[in-house]
Amino acid sequence: AQSVTQPDIHITVSEGASLELRCNYSYGATPYLFWYVQSPGQGLQLLLKYFSGDTLVQGIKGFEAEFKRSQSSFNLRKPSVHWSDAAEYFCAVGPLGNTDKLIFGTGTRLQVFP
Amino acid sequence: EPEVTQTPSHQVTQMGQEVILRCVPISNHLYFYWYRQILGQKVEFLVSFYNNEISEKSEIFDDQFSVERPDGSNFTLKIRSTKLEDSAMYFCASTRTPRRRGNEKLFFGSGTQLSVL
Repeated sequence: AQSVTQPDIHITVSEGASLELRCNYSYGATPYLFWYVQSPGQGLQLLLKYFSGDTLVQGIKGFEAEFKRSQSSFNLRKPSVHWSDAAEYFCAVGPLGNTDKLIFGTGTRLQVFP
Repeated sequence: EPEVTQTPSHQVTQMGQEVILRCVPISNHLYFYWYRQILGQKVEFLVSFYNNEISEKSEIFDDQFSVERPDGSNFTLKIRSTKLEDSAMYFCASTRTPRRRGNEKLFFGSGTQLSVL
């Protein structure tokens, strides 16, 4: 069955430090891949997405993610974290086959220290 | 950017009571979705809705759940007799076209936190 794994439940970084959030997926073909962010009191906001082509995708707020087929990964990165990046980050895949739904990971909570 | 609006932001109810969670999708969107997230678990798909009928539903979406678009703007999720395990954050989402096309952006609301006591 298709699945998404985010191994890190909680990550803490200092402001200005680099960030990498991990995401691994399980799917027979190349899926559509997404990263969403949820700030407190806000909805899920799309950061970036990968469908095909260049495996390094740029998103909003200075985020990027790299699709690595050999590792079934789609890790999210940011070179310098800002305090406002503190939020919950979700990796997702979909739609898959004939279904319309997204499959999400459990999320990674990012805490940023000044 | 256009927004999906959900009300209320928090709902507390007694076990066995009916609740209705409300959503106002983006005005020109035609496909509507409910997802939920139980604390500490994954965001899970519940149901998709198009043209006044359910397009797809998950195993979670049993007979206790129903969805409705009662007018041209609202999209509701009803839980007939709530259980403790229904406590979760419920997210509404909408798109202009079906997501099977892959490149359609899914807009989410900020969620309703449902607590069943």
